[in-house]
Amino acid sequence: DAMVIQNPRYQVTQFGKPVTLSCSQTLNHNVMYWYQQKSSQAPKLLFHYYDKDFNNEADTPDNFQSRRPNTSFCFLDIRSPGLGDAAMYLCATSSTRFGREQYFGPGTRLTVT
Amino acid sequence: EDQVTQSPEALRLQEGESSSLNCSYTVSGLRGLFWYRQDPGKGPEFLFTLYSAGEEKEKERLKATLTKKESFLHITAPKPEDSATYLCAVQERSVQGAQKLVFGQGTRLTINP
Repeated sequence: DAMVIQNPRYQVTQFGKPVTLSCSQTLNHNVMYWYQQKSSQAPKLLFHYYDKDFNNEADTPDNFQSRRPNTSFCFLDIRSPGLGDAAMYLCATSSTRFGREQYFGPGTRLTVT
Repeated sequence: EDQVTQSPEALRLQEGESSSLNCSYTVSGLRGLFWYRQDPGKGPEFLFTLYSAGEEKEKERLKATLTKKESFLHITAPKPEDSATYLCAVQERSVQGAQKLVFGQGTRLTINP
């Protein structure tokens, strides 16, 4: 029944050690998003894919990259995590029709030690 | 630039005590206003979409309304399980058909038994 799945739910990495978070969806939506959410803050959009077209937010650090090998899967790569990158990372999907809602996954809680 | 402000930041109610959460927004051409519920450590769960002033939507004890400048989430006779953070978001002008959301900071609602 799950529509947007994120793995792992909890990830611990060391300072500077690359980490990859994954997201998959069963909704066949064209658009996939990655958000970063820190404690008691609003979700902050990092980037999104419209099909295979990658769209980076202007203030997303170069340390963050993403891959979308097919419609169902999307990955978030953090090349050299810093302590400030500890957060909840949320994946979301939507159809391309204007005004349609985004569906979020359960999130991956990233801890950097 | 589109902005979303939610108030209050936090709200404590007794079980059965009805109240309203506020979301005020400034946006150049509203394409949709969205309400989400977020439980601790989880991803946002979609509740409602409102498109035009005067529109109302209901789900169990929740009712969302929309004016030209703000939206209200009315909670009638709440129960402890309604405790969560409620997020409001507006759809920003889209790029390549991908809708982007601007989130408010959320209202953390606690219902005491």
